[in-house]
Amino acid sequence: GAGVSQSPSNKVTEKGKDVELRCDPISGHTALYWYRQSLGQGLEFLIYFQGNSAPDKSGLPSDRFSAERTGGSVSTLTIQRTQQEDSAVYLCASSLFPGSAGRGGELFFGEGSRLTVL
Amino acid sequence: DQQVKQNSPSLSVQEGRISILNCDYTNSMFDYFLWYKKYPAEGPTFLISISSIKDKNEDGRFTVFLNKSAKHLSLHIVPSQPGDSAVYFCAASEWSGNQFYFGTGTSLTVIP
Repeated sequence: GAGVSQSPSNKVTEKGKDVELRCDPISGHTALYWYRQSLGQGLEFLIYFQGNSAPDKSGLPSDRFSAERTGGSVSTLTIQRTQQEDSAVYLCASSLFPGSAGRGGELFFGEGSRLTVL
Repeated sequence: DQQVKQNSPSLSVQEGRISILNCDYTNSMFDYFLWYKKYPAEGPTFLISISSIKDKNEDGRFTVFLNKSAKHLSLHIVPSQPGDSAVYFCAASEWSGNQFYFGTGTSLTVIP
C-alpha cells in the first residue's frame, strides 16, 4: 500500500497476556518510530529505528516492552504481561530521511492500533 | 516532563474566522517545529513545519509563527472551514535529534 499500515486496528486483551502489534512502513522509508497516545495525553515516544543502526529505545516505559524491525522494513512492538495502564493507541510512523528530525523530514503515521487491557 | 505544551485542549471558531492554536516549549535546543492534524480513527498527518531560522512559514490558509525568545509558536488558519475540525498536535525536535516531542493536542471545532 501507499501508506503506513498497522495491525490489528483494535485489540482487546486480558491483563497479563502478551500482545504483538505490527507496522508496515512506507516502502523505502529507512526511519521507523513507535509512539503511543494514552487517553488525554500527547504522543509519547517509544522507540526509533534507523536502517541497521542500534535502535533508540529510550522511550520504552518498562522492560515489558520490546520492538524489532526485520529486514529494515516491518516492525513488531511486543508488550509482555500487559497491564491496564498499557491501554492506549499505539502509532507507528516512518520517514524518508535518515535522522529526519530537524532536516526537513516529516513523519508519516499509520492509523494506529487501539489496545484495551481489561 | 512535558517539553511541548498545548494548554488549550479545545477551541471553537465560526466558519470564515481565524483559528489560532498555540504551543509552548521548554527545551531551548529545539529548532524544528511541526504541526500535525488528526481526524478520529486516523493517524496524524503532517500539516506545516518551521525551522528556527525563520519566524513565519505560510502554506495556503495555514501560517505558523515562531517566537524563539518566548519559546512559543502558533498556527493560524484563515479562513477556517468546517473540514478543519480536527485535533491539532504541535511537535518539536532538535536539529540532530531522533525524537519528535509532541504536545497533548488541541481539538478545533469550526462551526458552520
